[in-house]
Amino acid sequence: SAVISQKPSRDICQRGTSLTIQCQVDSQVTMMFWYRQQPGQSLTLIATANQGSEATYESGFVIDKFPISRPNLTFSTLTVSNMSPEDSSIYLCSVDREGTYNEQFFGPGTRLTVL
Amino acid sequence: SQQGEEDPQALSIQEGENATMNCSYKTSINNLQWYRQNSGRGLVHLILIRSNEREKHSGRLRVTLDTSKKSSSLLITASRAADTASYFCASGAGSYQLTFGKGTKLSVIP
Repeated sequence: SAVISQKPSRDICQRGTSLTIQCQVDSQVTMMFWYRQQPGQSLTLIATANQGSEATYESGFVIDKFPISRPNLTFSTLTVSNMSPEDSSIYLCSVDREGTYNEQFFGPGTRLTVL
Repeated sequence: SQQGEEDPQALSIQEGENATMNCSYKTSINNLQWYRQNSGRGLVHLILIRSNEREKHSGRLRVTLDTSKKSSSLLITASRAADTASYFCASGAGSYQLTFGKGTKLSVIP
């Protein structure tokens, strides 16, 4: 299994500012995923980050709002830009367990509150 | 895109009882997974069942899959207080992408 850490674990931010969330994996992985979980809701995939290429965004999410970096095979960042209270959510990164049917390992999440 | 639905949305049982959660999905899949989430933290993978399987066991967990009805169920036997969490099903359709259901919030009362 993969061990995934995220920083920060939580933050409270002001409207209009940006926050960068880091995701570190203890092994090299091809794909990393970023999800958003709004309060009391399920997980929604924001984008898939592959090393050496642009992230692939899902419908409803754009690069200007959620820029992603993937500088190597063990690390990725997600930035939430120009935040509004509607961005208050838990943001989770995950990695695909290679060689299996989609099984994913998740980080502990970053709980973001925007005032 | 497909969207899973779990029912019930919330379930409260006594310790020692069995808990059953159901999940439906909308399109063809090649696997169905169940995850647990404790208090808004990260998700933990519990069990995966492939589309050509009908039932799978892991410890106190039993998962069934009915592809004709596009539904799955998760049974937790002899529940414990530590099983208190939210449970999500997630369907995989052959690519890396998972589609998560809305979740069932389980409370196990000691």
